[in-house]
Amino acid sequence: SAVISQKPSRDICQRGTSLTIQCQVDSQVTMMFWYRQQPGQSLTLIATANQGSEATYESGFVIDKFPISRPNLTFSTLTVSNMSPEDSSIYLCSVNRERTEAFFGQGTRLTVV
Amino acid sequence: DAKTTQPPSMDCAEGRAANLPCNHSTISGNEYVYWYRQIHSQGPQYIIHGLKNNETNEMASLIITEDRKSSTLILPHATLRDTAVYYCIGGFGNEKLTFGTGTRLTIIP
Repeated sequence: SAVISQKPSRDICQRGTSLTIQCQVDSQVTMMFWYRQQPGQSLTLIATANQGSEATYESGFVIDKFPISRPNLTFSTLTVSNMSPEDSSIYLCSVNRERTEAFFGQGTRLTVV
Repeated sequence: DAKTTQPPSMDCAEGRAANLPCNHSTISGNEYVYWYRQIHSQGPQYIIHGLKNNETNEMASLIITEDRKSSTLILPHATLRDTAVYYCIGGFGNEKLTFGTGTRLTIIP
């Protein structure tokens, strides 16, 4: 199994500010995934983060709004920039073991006021 | 990833078997069927996955039809802690997951 530590677990932020979410994995992984879960909704993939290359963003998500860093094989950050109340969501990082299960962090519950 | 269809909600009495269906008629021959669940305010948790054969682990059983167009997740003796949203996902396991709306399972005391 993989243990994922995600920080912060929750935060309340002022609109117009930015928040950086950290995701630490206890083993080396090639790909890390960032998801968003809006209130009452399912999970939506934001981007895939590979070490040593630019993140790959899904339709509707852009690097200027959600910049991602992946400095090594065990760590990644997601920044939510210039926040608005619509960014209030749970943000989750995830890693996969090939052809078996995915592991998720406990999520960061973000409230923008 | 294959598109999956699940009922939006189900109830099950505590102690009984919970049978959660999933249709995945567009799944390709080498795509697996994965099941995850999300208990309120937590990250999704892996339950089980399979390709063609039925699978069983300590959490659940997975029954996949011979034509692979549908499957059923079985929780043999449901407890209150099994109340969660259950997601059926088709994919290759080492890639991104595409979550549908899932089935909200409520275990009734």
